[in-house]
Amino acid sequence: AQSVAQPEDQVNVAEGNPLTVKCTYSVSGNPYLFWYVQYPNRGLQFLLKYITGDNLVKGSYGFEAEFNKSQTSFHLKKPSALVSDSALYFCAVRDRGGYSTLTFGKGTMLLVSP
Amino acid sequence: GAGVSQSPRYKVAKRGQDVALRCDPISGHVSLFWYQQALGQGPEFLTYFQNEAQLDKSGLPSDRFFAERPEGSVSTLKIQRTQQEDSAVYLCASSLGPGDRETQYFGPGTRLLVL
Repeated sequence: AQSVAQPEDQVNVAEGNPLTVKCTYSVSGNPYLFWYVQYPNRGLQFLLKYITGDNLVKGSYGFEAEFNKSQTSFHLKKPSALVSDSALYFCAVRDRGGYSTLTFGKGTMLLVSP
Repeated sequence: GAGVSQSPRYKVAKRGQDVALRCDPISGHVSLFWYQQALGQGPEFLTYFQNEAQLDKSGLPSDRFFAERPEGSVSTLKIQRTQQEDSAVYLCASSLGPGDRETQYFGPGTRLLVL
C-alpha cells in the first residue's frame, strides 16, 4: 500500500522568508510525486510534479520541490514567501509500478504573515 | 480554456434523500476521477473512468454510491439514501491521458451536507 505523510498540520513563516512544507512517502516501487494547493472553497490547483530525471523540480508561482529517494521525501520549498501563498498544501504519490490511484496526504496549512 | 466544472457547488440533503453530482471534465480529457474530501483531510479516491469505462471503483464506500460516464465526457456521481457520514466535499478531476504520470486537474468541488 502507498501512503503520504505531511508531519506538520501548520507552517508559519514571515513574508520574505524561505518556506518549506514537508512530505514523506511510502510506495512499493518508484514514485510519481505531486504537490497541489487549495484555496478556501476552491478545488486543488496543480503546482508541480516529479516524474523522472532531475531531482529538483520547479513549478508554478516560484515553488520548487526536491525528490530525495534515500529519505523518501519530496519537500516543497520557496525562497521568499508571499502573504498570498497562505493556503492548504497537499502532497500526493502514485506508484509507477503498474496501475495505482493517487494518494494524498492530510495537508499542511501554510500561513504567511506580513 | 475552461477547466473542470462541477455542479451544484453546494447541496443540502435530508437523510435518506438521493443526490446527483455532476462533473464536466476538460474537453478531450480521457481520464476522469472522483474523490471525497472530508473536513480536515486530504482527498480520497472513489472511482476512475477511462472514456466511458469505469476501470476502478474500489474507493466507493458502499453500494449506495454509483458513478457513470455514459458518453465518455460528463460524469455523474449518485448517492442513494444519503447518510450524515456522506457529508463531505466531492471533487472531480480529469487528465488528458490514461497514464500514471499524467497531471490530474481538479474542479471546485461540490460541498454536500446531509442533515
